[in-house]
Amino acid sequence: KAGVTQTPRYLIKTRGQQVTLSCSPISGHRSVSWYQQTPGQGLQFLFEYFSETQRNKGNFPGRFSGRQFSNSRSEMNVSTLELGDSALYLCASSPGTTHGYTFGSGTRLTVV
Amino acid sequence: GESVGLHLPTLSVQEGDNSIINCAYSNSASDYFIWYKQESGKGPQFIIDIRSNMDKRQGQRVTVLLNKTVKHLSLQIAATQPGDSAVYFCAENGQGTGANSKLTFGKGITLSVRP
Repeated sequence: KAGVTQTPRYLIKTRGQQVTLSCSPISGHRSVSWYQQTPGQGLQFLFEYFSETQRNKGNFPGRFSGRQFSNSRSEMNVSTLELGDSALYLCASSPGTTHGYTFGSGTRLTVV
Repeated sequence: GESVGLHLPTLSVQEGDNSIINCAYSNSASDYFIWYKQESGKGPQFIIDIRSNMDKRQGQRVTVLLNKTVKHLSLQIAATQPGDSAVYFCAENGQGTGANSKLTFGKGITLSVRP
């Protein structure tokens, strides 16, 4: 079956702009989590959605937001981009029980 | 606070040897642990997981050991192959029983396999 699909793969934005990233989970998976990966901070949890509800949130500013649709697809949005937002943004899906997550290949965001 | 750390940033092993990657965690409430492998340009790939009610779990060429007394996790890779070269992450979920909605990752260790 198809894995976790993230689009776009690469993105270049200017400071102050906003960006929306998309994630399509594995079919049947109801939980979607988002992580930010940088060389300095490693993998950091952003938020998790389950059945269209945010179930958990990491320690990121309010500029980072997300949502989940009824088909479990998820989007995350970053407003007023800063240079420090340059990172690999990873999405992971899970059936929603106590199983490990399956990650997508990520969206590489570069803010200039 | 909770943190998951790896003892060494890099590990170089000879092809065919066994590799051991270590990880320490600080959250005693963690009950679920996962090892991931990440290759360049890809997302983390699940290797093996273990729950806190177990001490050891084996997969294909990999074994995870959990020592709850000292809050230590290790990944053993048997007969290491060039394809095992990647960055390895340990992760834990300190949420207790139920849905594992947040994973805390270690910084990552690079495994380099010498031919």
